Amino acid sequence: GDSVTQMEGPVTLSEEAFLTINCTYTATGYPSLFWYVQYPGEGLQLLLKATKADDKGSNKGFEATYRKETTSFHLEKGSVQVSDSAVYFCALNTQAGGTSYGKLTFGQGTILTVHP
Amino acid sequence: DADVTQTPRNRITKTGKRIMLECSQTKGHDRMYWYRQDPGLGLRLIYYSFDVKDINKGEISDGYSVSRQAQAKFSLSLESAIPNQTALYFCATSDQGDTGELFFGEGSRLTVL
Repeated sequence: GDSVTQMEGPVTLSEEAFLTINCTYTATGYPSLFWYVQYPGEGLQLLLKATKADDKGSNKGFEATYRKETTSFHLEKGSVQVSDSAVYFCALNTQAGGTSYGKLTFGQGTILTVHP
Repeated sequence: DADVTQTPRNRITKTGKRIMLECSQTKGHDRMYWYRQDPGLGLRLIYYSFDVKDINKGEISDGYSVSRQAQAKFSLSLESAIPNQTALYFCATSDQGDTGELFFGEGSRLTVL
């Protein structure tokens, strides 16, 4: 079945450091890929997404590129801020025959803490 | 007000008790989901519903049941709670398009003693 693997956390960085959170996947069909973010005490919210190979999703300074050849969707940010401290989830949504089933498969989450 | 509202936000109960978690949404979406979040395991799908007459099991449905009372309401029940059902539960919605984006509630933290 489909699966998503994220790098082990937690990740601790100083403000303005470069961030990479690795994500790889296995899936049948042609998945769409997502990064969700969960701030303390809140539900998850979509950060960015990519729906086909070589697409780049971006939002709030975060970027991720859909790499079909390496089955990866790594999250990057050039300069993190304290307010980026959160849990980040990589996820996929497999489509088969052009139909989206609307069910996401999530990675285990990576806790990011950014210090001033 | 939040688009996806869960009640209660926190609940402590004892083994063997029946518990219901409720979810209501104002987004007008047909599709609703219940996920469970455990540390180190991410989110796992319990049940999902694509419309009022459609209920489907997810990957971890054992010990849970659901009811879709209306387009806007989707409740999750634990008929006889056990300690390993202690977790953070999320309700989510999505539209019928192929965006795949889910909209989450703020979560219901359940502790079973």
